[in-house]
Amino acid sequence: EAGVVQSPRYKIIEKKQPVAFWCNPISGHNTLYWYRQNLGQGPELLIRYENEEAVDDSQLPKDRFSAERLKGVDSTLKIQPAELGDSAVYLCASRERGSYEQYFGPGTRLTVT
Amino acid sequence: AQSVTQLDSQVPVFEEAPVELRCNYSSSVSVYLFWYVQYPNQGLQLLLKYLSGSTLVKGINGFEAEFNKSQTSFHLRKPSVHISDTAEYFCAVSDQYNFNKFYFGSGTKLNVKP
Repeated sequence: EAGVVQSPRYKIIEKKQPVAFWCNPISGHNTLYWYRQNLGQGPELLIRYENEEAVDDSQLPKDRFSAERLKGVDSTLKIQPAELGDSAVYLCASRERGSYEQYFGPGTRLTVT
Repeated sequence: AQSVTQLDSQVPVFEEAPVELRCNYSSSVSVYLFWYVQYPNQGLQLLLKYLSGSTLVKGINGFEAEFNKSQTSFHLRKPSVHISDTAEYFCAVSDQYNFNKFYFGSGTKLNVKP
């Protein structure tokens, strides 16, 4: 069974540029999470989807961040415009209905210069 | 809201020695507890979890953890570490009312020396 897939793995952009990250969860997992992991810190939730509905986006900086999961499967997280402080690893995770475990992808390491 | 404290940011240990990585949480309701491992440039991999029942849980790679409700702790242990255990370890908590939401500690870097 394939795990959570994320792309790209690495991205370097200049500040004020837009950037997008893509995630394909494990097949059949209806819950999808986007986390941000700053250097030396644990992951912090940005947004959670149940199928195509964003049910928890309280930590998403909505002035510059947006996300979508149009068909309830894969998802895209966008930053526009990027700031220096957005440099971090962006992790996607998914969970199967009825399970307590989250499965993580390898992450996208974003560097904003 | 829950919170998780991992007091040790780094733990150096020699190969084949035992190790304990500490995790304390705060919560007023029943919790679910998890330990994840993160190898360099990789995502998080579940080591073990406590949902209910026996307070001693065993996970992959020879790790185990003990849930202590009175001390609000969930420390991770391994009796004999290998070089390959060098990684960062994260403790996470969720609760009975919102098991969807994980709160992670800041992580402990385990450095196994030969």
